[in-house]
Amino acid sequence: GAGVSQSPSNKVTEKGKDVELRCDPISGHTALYWYRQRLGQGLEFLIYFQGNSAPDKSGLPSDRFSAERTGESVSTLTIQRTQQEDSAVYLCASSLAAADYNEQFFGPGTRLTVL
Amino acid sequence: AQTVTQSQPEMSVQEAETVTLSCTYDTSESDYYLFWYKQPPSRQMILVIRQEAYKQQNATENRFSVNFQKAAKSFSLKISDSQLGDAAMYFCAYRSRTGANSKLTFGKGITLSVRP
Repeated sequence: GAGVSQSPSNKVTEKGKDVELRCDPISGHTALYWYRQRLGQGLEFLIYFQGNSAPDKSGLPSDRFSAERTGESVSTLTIQRTQQEDSAVYLCASSLAAADYNEQFFGPGTRLTVL
Repeated sequence: AQTVTQSQPEMSVQEAETVTLSCTYDTSESDYYLFWYKQPPSRQMILVIRQEAYKQQNATENRFSVNFQKAAKSFSLKISDSQLGDAAMYFCAYRSRTGANSKLTFGKGITLSVRP
């Protein structure tokens, strides 16, 4: 079956512009996560959605970052007024549910470059 | 807050040999999961192996096995009979079993190269 997909694969933007990154989770997965991976670093948690519950935004680094999810489907991560330090790979993952153990399946990520 | 430390940035192994990747973590929780993920150049994160903290037996998956030392908070990955396709970045990760958020906390990763 189809895995987690993300678009675009690569995005180059100018400092100060807004960008939108998209994630399509695996069908039926109620939990969705966004992570950021800076060059040569591990993944940092950004935000988590679980069904219709309020999202956990505790990992968002600033108010320039926001994310939405429509029901249990597509999610978009928006970065406003991009800065050079926002350059990173943004990875999305989904799982059946957050309760107990359910494997998180990752998408291929979006590489964002801010010039 | 939990932290995961991978102190070796790079390692190299000869094809068909065995290599061990180290990971330590810090937590005040007693119930949690530990994982090793592989990230090839394609960027796709692939789950290699997981360990439940309440299990004393070390997890194994074919050529991959772990050495889980709960008291020492150590979680190393052993790759036996290394293959060229094992070359990638490997990340150690932690996940709490309590609380509503099942986010993963990752180490900085280690780049493994395999010499033919």
